[in-house]
Amino acid sequence: DAGVTQSPTHLIKTRGQQVTLRCSPKSGHDTVSWYQQALGQGPQFIFQYYEEEERQRGNFPDRFSGHQFPNYSSELNVNALLLGDSALYLCASSLGVSGNTIYFGEGSWLTVV
Amino acid sequence: QKEVEQNSGPLSVPEGAIASLNCTYSDRGSQSFFWYRQYSGKSPELIMFIYSNGDKEDGRFTAQLNKASQYVSLLIRDSQPSDSATYLCAVLSTDSWGKLQFGAGTQVVVTP
Repeated sequence: DAGVTQSPTHLIKTRGQQVTLRCSPKSGHDTVSWYQQALGQGPQFIFQYYEEEERQRGNFPDRFSGHQFPNYSSELNVNALLLGDSALYLCASSLGVSGNTIYFGEGSWLTVV
Repeated sequence: QKEVEQNSGPLSVPEGAIASLNCTYSDRGSQSFFWYRQYSGKSPELIMFIYSNGDKEDGRFTAQLNKASQYVSLLIRDSQPSDSATYLCAVLSTDSWGKLQFGAGTQVVVTP
């Protein structure tokens, strides 16, 4: 039973560039959420995708966008990177938008220089 | 602003003792409560979830929920060095299903 998988695991980008992070949900799950975790903080909700639509969004600017594909996998795109975007980006999957059992992938470490 | 508060620690616990972690939340509409363990440099790992008032036990872990006091706790019995990690409290509300609200986490250090 495959868990939540994310890629890439680590990446370094330059300020102003764009980045795409990818996620495949746990087998049997159809809902993907993305979180940003800065050092020493708890994860912060970015947005949630279900049925290929954004269902909920946290307090993140429009530079953060996403997509969900028919196979339930998802991408997180961040444009015009800022130094403050350096963080661990976590993908979480669940069954349905009200799924109570939420599992996280290993995350993608993004460093913006 | 809905908030989840935890003591940041570090909480130093002798090996074999009980670690007690606390979490308070501000949203009275919160319905589901989760404890995640996060090792340094790793992603959060779900330990337990609790929905109803009272205690829920799973192995060495016990979650306690008191909705009237807006308080949830985690007890770790017979603490082991492998329990040294940051423990994150997370909350789901009925008006934001699927959106976990996290505390900043409590760092636990189990000393041999």
